[in-house]
Amino acid sequence: EVQLVQSGAEVKKPGESLKISCKGSGYSFTSYWIGWVRQMPGKGLEWMGIIYPGDSDTRYSPSFQGQVTISADKSISTAYLQWSSLKASDTAMYYCVRRSYAGDLFDYWGQGTLVTVSS
Amino acid sequence: AIRMTQSPSSLSASTGDRVTITCRASQGISSYLAWYQQKPGKAPKLLIYAASTLQSGVPSRFSGSGSGTDFTLTISCLQSEDFATYYCQQYYSYPPTFGQGTKVEIK
Repeated sequence: EVQLVQSGAEVKKPGESLKISCKGSGYSFTSYWIGWVRQMPGKGLEWMGIIYPGDSDTRYSPSFQGQVTISADKSISTAYLQWSSLKASDTAMYYCVRRSYAGDLFDYWGQGTLVTVSS
Repeated sequence: AIRMTQSPSSLSASTGDRVTITCRASQGISSYLAWYQQKPGKAPKLLIYAASTLQSGVPSRFSGSGSGTDFTLTISCLQSEDFATYYCQQYYSYPPTFGQGTKVEIK
């Protein structure tokens, strides 16, 4: 069974750094792209970027380029999303997603990690 | 980026109703369109891709159609478990973009 299991909820202050994780299992982790999708409170879905764990090829949405860093450690089948300096506007639910072989659509989703940034 | 616009933003319906949601792309996307269902407090779930291909395990009361710029998601006989928010998503060009969502509520 394919599973993406994300790290737990985080509460941070503005200016702090953060790295959240997504562990894949039940499939060949290095053979599928893993992406991240943001959902701000009460809002819709925004695609942030994606990484291919096999060779760490990474692509970002222009809206998120330079704001976050996506990485992966294929030895432990885990992808990461990190911030160097959080802002209150980063408060959101973040989902990791597996890219389908059919294209840039997402056939499996993690359970989500809620990030709250507040002073 | 390609803009995806869904209508309506919300609708009220009863169990057993036929429901149709529309998604329009700001430019042609061929059939590179997916639909997702999101229930409160849960992650989205893929329902349909390539505009009309049902994802494995999705009930046949869900169907999709369209190509180019105009697409529809139809639920032929609404069930209680279908009350949720539905999103379309284009994957024709980078970055992939989603519609704003359509909330299907109980009348």
